[in-house]
Amino acid sequence: QQQVKQSPQSLIVQKGGISIINCAYENTAFDYFPWYQQFPGKGPALLIAIRPDVSEKKEGRFTISFNKSAKQFSLHIMDSQPGDSATYFCAASRTGYGQNFVFGPGTRLSVLP
Amino acid sequence: NAGVTQTPKFRVLKTGQSMTLLCAQDMNHEYMYWYRQDPGMGLRLIHYSVGEGTTAKGEVPDGYNVSRLKKQNFLLGLESAAPSQTSVYFCASRPLSSYNSPLHFGNGTRLTVT
Repeated sequence: QQQVKQSPQSLIVQKGGISIINCAYENTAFDYFPWYQQFPGKGPALLIAIRPDVSEKKEGRFTISFNKSAKQFSLHIMDSQPGDSATYFCAASRTGYGQNFVFGPGTRLSVLP
Repeated sequence: NAGVTQTPKFRVLKTGQSMTLLCAQDMNHEYMYWYRQDPGMGLRLIHYSVGEGTTAKGEVPDGYNVSRLKKQNFLLGLESAAPSQTSVYFCASRPLSSYNSPLHFGNGTRLTVT
């Protein structure tokens, strides 16, 4: 119940295309869903996050779509750029002691010039 | 403002050796975490701390110990290293103030156990 599933494992997109990464969770107690971006040799950094009381959140070219009934959420990267090439992790957490985050296995995105 | 600093950046150990990884944060965060990152498995929580002098087990705590004697430091120890502990280790911190505050990660320590 603590798992977060993520797909695809890797993704290749042409410059200017749309990148879509999907995640699914089982624990309905989760109430915070962030996406992290990681470049080689660096630690993950928060990209965008959403709470379950909204169905979509947009920040620039990055959008999270959230489907509470299906227990799924996805990251859409519009007009993908080579600089977006990185590994993306979805995560989930629940409010409480320590508020531990459960991470998906990651998606390696390559945007071709 | 350095954020979260991890030392060392790289380390090679032989099976059975011990070592300590140091994490320091200068953001006055209450919560600190140790994760390990392995290919295809994402980030898995080893131990965490909700404040100075407190620690708790995460998802994969076996073979590791931690200490948080000072609020800004969180140490991860391997008493007898095993090849299965070859991984990239990340420390993270976040403030207590808001439930949706993000994790701030260090740049990792790459550990190889031969």
